Amino acid sequence: DTGVSQDPRHKITKRGQNVTFRCDPISEHNRLYWYRQTLGQGPEFLTYFQNEAQLEKSRLLSDRFSAERPKGSFSTLEIQRTEQGDSAMYLCASSLRGQGFYEQYFGPGTRLTVT
Amino acid sequence: AQSVTQLGSHVSVSEGALVLLRCNYSSSVPPYLFWYVQYPNQGLQLLLKYTSAATLVKGINGFEAEFKKSETSFHLTKPSAHMSDAAEYFCAVRENYGGSQGNLIFGKGTKLSVKP
Repeated sequence: DTGVSQDPRHKITKRGQNVTFRCDPISEHNRLYWYRQTLGQGPEFLTYFQNEAQLEKSRLLSDRFSAERPKGSFSTLEIQRTEQGDSAMYLCASSLRGQGFYEQYFGPGTRLTVT
Repeated sequence: AQSVTQLGSHVSVSEGALVLLRCNYSSSVPPYLFWYVQYPNQGLQLLLKYTSAATLVKGINGFEAEFKKSETSFHLTKPSAHMSDAAEYFCAVRENYGGSQGNLIFGKGTKLSVKP
């Protein structure tokens, strides 16, 4: 069990560019969540997958945000046409449905800076 | 709607002193509650969870929390602070939405400083 991993750990981009982040969950976990954490705040839920199905995406912050989880393994979060307000830490978490009351295991996060 | 309020954005204690971090929740259904710790530039690590079994929950690193329904509280305590406890602590409630979604609603966090 290597835990949840995220790549890259840091990303600096210019306003207007597209960025993509990757999350690899714990291998047997079927649920995967994305959160955003801004300075001085707790994580804010964005979207989640059960296997390859994206079951909730209404909390994505705008239509510039999208996520995928092909084949129910790793997931990607893409932000198109980045804005300075997108600067934040993006966290991924995974869990096993039915176990541990949805106890979630978090990755180290990707810190995005938009200049 | 459910919510979590953490009282005190910053708490400072001396090494060896009692740690008390406060969390109050709002929920129309029996809640599942969690405490997570976050070290600088890292993700969140689960400290403990309440899932309607025992009201006093013991977690890792000597932390524990007591669920008090009458006070809608889930405060985190540790009898004796250690320098390594310096971090940010988040209280969270599992959102009750659509039955089984499972995502968490977090408080704003409390940064704990430990003085030597």
